[in-house]
Amino acid sequence: QSVLTQPPSASGTPGQRVTISCSGSSSNIETNYVYWYQQLPGTAPKLLIYRNNQRPSGVPDRFSGSKSGTSASLAISGLRSEDEADYYCAAWDDSLSGYVFGTGTEVTVL
Amino acid sequence: EVQLLESGGGLVQPGGSLRLSCAASGFTFSSYAMSWVRQAPGKGLEWVSSISGRGTNRNYAGPVKGRFTISRDNSRNTLYLQASSLSTEDSAVYYCAKEADLYSRSPPDYWGPGTLVTVSS
Repeated sequence: QSVLTQPPSASGTPGQRVTISCSGSSSNIETNYVYWYQQLPGTAPKLLIYRNNQRPSGVPDRFSGSKSGTSASLAISGLRSEDEADYYCAAWDDSLSGYVFGTGTEVTVL
Repeated sequence: EVQLLESGGGLVQPGGSLRLSCAASGFTFSSYAMSWVRQAPGKGLEWVSSISGRGTNRNYAGPVKGRFTISRDNSRNTLYLQASSLSTEDSAVYYCAKEADLYSRSPPDYWGPGTLVTVSS
């Protein structure tokens, strides 16, 4: 049961910038760090962004994250064909004592 | 290099039980909380359960509370999920995941490849 809301789809042409939103509440995004994942078909999710805006080593700087209040966003600049995937946000939820995921956004490169 | 490898998935009848295992390596297993996350076919990610590094604190998502039990053996670097009273709604790929933060609870940074559980008669 997703508690964080994302748009179901986003698209762009190669080289464009795409932004994905993630809306939550005071018990999750507002008070805890936001994480973002990329999931290619048939594979496990891969961490893209941690602690709102930090990139693990190996993740291109084309990916960036931000947070404000109860919402967060992931931006992909210089869109490439290999960016076609599902993207999920996540955050710890204090009322659940567990973490919650976003509904997921499918990114298509036109 | 952090590695997580799940096992124990398969076909089980409704009402049946299954025990999933996750072998971990490449990090100090006992220092990190661990979780199970599932993904039904064509659906999104769903947190199932988490356990603290020492195993003293366990949390469960509502749909599995009372039916699933998470545990760990720090001497074997292994995480477990005992799932019982399974229904078709529990059919999913089950991922083992390592929580990212050492000092506070957080979503994962590393995931295993997953093991498929199919509940069907």
